[in-house]
Amino acid sequence: QKEVEQDPGPLSVPEGAIVSLNCTYSNSAFQYFMWYRQYSRKGPELLMYTYSSGNKEDGRFTAQVDKSSKYISLFIRDSQPSDSATYLCAMEAGNNRKLIWGLGTSLAVNP
Amino acid sequence: NAGVTQTPKFRVLKTGQSMTLLCAQDMNHEYMYWYRQDPGMGLRLIHYSVGEGTTAKGEVPDGYNVSRLKKQNFLLGLESAAPSQTSVYFCASSPRPGTGGYEQYFGPGTRLTVT
Repeated sequence: QKEVEQDPGPLSVPEGAIVSLNCTYSNSAFQYFMWYRQYSRKGPELLMYTYSSGNKEDGRFTAQVDKSSKYISLFIRDSQPSDSATYLCAMEAGNNRKLIWGLGTSLAVNP
Repeated sequence: NAGVTQTPKFRVLKTGQSMTLLCAQDMNHEYMYWYRQDPGMGLRLIHYSVGEGTTAKGEVPDGYNVSRLKKQNFLLGLESAAPSQTSVYFCASSPRPGTGGYEQYFGPGTRLTVT
């Protein structure tokens, strides 16, 4: 079993939909949780960063961490075609500066 | 600020040839990383460095060497390229503990094809 599981999709939604992207993990020591967005043929860019449990909101994006269920989510409200990308989750236990990555979920937002 | 830059952007090698990929960052970050990204395999850590003059092995280090002679630069070398090393290579950097979080900042990538 991989330490971080992420459904690769692809996920296809109409413009304006609410998108939910998820990762599950097995290591209860993880404390730092990140979401990256990667456009085709580009490098990953940091989208959201949360520490421990709870929610964090940034514009149309909300990151949610449920440590009791070992489950993290990224919600995108009012999705736009420009949100079409691969979304990768990453996490770290806070002890070695090496991130553990999900495989990424491919999202297409159709106009 | 340019952030993290990588050269070259593209390269085609023949089996057995050698090359060096250069990563540079202008954010004064202590930690630097080299990843490869392959379809269905995600991002895999090749080597990393926790400071100038240090290097350490990641998940898939075989066939690669690295050097960090200057804090801002991290070099990835392929001594004898193999077709299995055909991939997209990403460099990333991260700030020192206590001065920032654990997030990593990525370069644009190098697409390498080995024939």
